[in-house]
Amino acid sequence: EVQLVESGGGLVQPGRSLRLSCAASGFTFDDYAMHWVRQAPGKGLEWVSGISWNSGSIGYADSVKGRFTISRDNAKNSLYLQMNSLRAEDTALYYCAKDKEGAIIDWGQGTLVTVSS
Amino acid sequence: QLVLTQSPSASASLGASVKLTCTLSSGHSSYAIAWHQQQPEKGPRYLMKLNSDGSHSKGDGIPDRFSGSSSGAERYLTISSLQSEDEADYYCQTWGTGIHWVFGGGTKLTVL
Repeated sequence: EVQLVESGGGLVQPGRSLRLSCAASGFTFDDYAMHWVRQAPGKGLEWVSGISWNSGSIGYADSVKGRFTISRDNAKNSLYLQMNSLRAEDTALYYCAKDKEGAIIDWGQGTLVTVSS
Repeated sequence: QLVLTQSPSASASLGASVKLTCTLSSGHSSYAIAWHQQQPEKGPRYLMKLNSDGSHSKGDGIPDRFSGSSSGAERYLTISSLQSEDEADYYCQTWGTGIHWVFGGGTKLTVL
């Protein structure tokens, strides 16, 4: 069974940093691209960032470019999102997602990030 | 620019059928998409990948009541024999060149 378990969320002040992690199991992690998707309270889904299986290709939404950094450790079956210079508008539930040929086929349960003073 | 457009809301009666639409932006009518369901207070769930020719591959455990079809730049999700648990938000998702994903704004489906 595929499992994607996010962690690292919490309450953080504007301008500070936070690092999210996603522990993957139940599949061959380094066969798949992975992504972070977020959902602000009461809003729709927003793609944040993605990384290819070998970290050779990386992409970011314009809203986070220059502030967030995605990475992965295939030896640890883990995906990460380093979030710097956090803003109130980054407040959201952050999901880890597994990509198969472009389509998300598995989702984690999410970790909540709240940016507030 | 790659954009997906969805109607904000839809409604249909219990036991009836409903067809939700996701429209690809100009110049992107050949793109495949994926449909996802998000029930209230739950995380999203993958329903299917839908190609431009209407062929689709569903996720594990997705009932036969869910089907997909395509016409030009429009991608459809049809749910037949509506059940109360189908009341949810439905999102379409696609991918551009390189690592670049796009979501539609979502359609809130109400089962009457």
